[in-house]
Amino acid sequence: GQQLNQSPQSMFIQEGEDVSMNCTSSSIFNTWLWYKQDPGEGPVLLIALYKAGELTSNGRLTAQFGITRKDSFLNISASIPSDVGIYFCARLGAAGNKLTFGGGTRVLVKP
Amino acid sequence: GAGVSQSPRYKVAKRGQDVALRCDPISGHVSLFWYQQALGQGPEFLTYFQNEAQLDKSGLPSDRFFAERPEGSVSTLKIQRTQQEDSAVYLCASSSRGLAGNTGELFFGEGSRLTVL
Repeated sequence: GQQLNQSPQSMFIQEGEDVSMNCTSSSIFNTWLWYKQDPGEGPVLLIALYKAGELTSNGRLTAQFGITRKDSFLNISASIPSDVGIYFCARLGAAGNKLTFGGGTRVLVKP
Repeated sequence: GAGVSQSPRYKVAKRGQDVALRCDPISGHVSLFWYQQALGQGPEFLTYFQNEAQLDKSGLPSDRFFAERPEGSVSTLKIQRTQQEDSAVYLCASSSRGLAGNTGELFFGEGSRLTVL
């Protein structure tokens, strides 16, 4: 089952809006990653975080590794239609052999 | 190739049939992963290969699932006697790094969507 809790489960965006989503865990981790999955595609890495408190940007995306090492958030500024998709947080296992994914946040366009 | 290639993209099987899903990772990538993604869920880890060695198969849901990577490049995920609960997208991912250097950056294929009737 999923050990990472993502919220919200889904959200509607309007072009130009800033959006925020987060991911929490009951356990401490050393690596947080954010992936995006478009329909019919595999997930693609957006941002990787390796240090507690780290704040990293990738274009309009900003992600932070929580200081407690139990959470992370992802912000998208000035959203555009192609931001639609499913955003997954993931953590890397201690053995370095696998990623565990959250349930995802579905970003949809406001009708 | 330029990216991870999976085939077939879509597979419909009758319950009880065996299926084989193929993954062609990025050339030279050491690590290869298989994930299962049920509808509306995040990917769930199945198994991991470093070169030809299967180092972790803890995520395989039953002994009906079998994976191999005999020459350290192409991998096949085989599901025997398919059941309806096996219906999912099966994702393959590869990485240039081995266990010790894994940063979590995986390159995923488009997936093989299996529907078991």
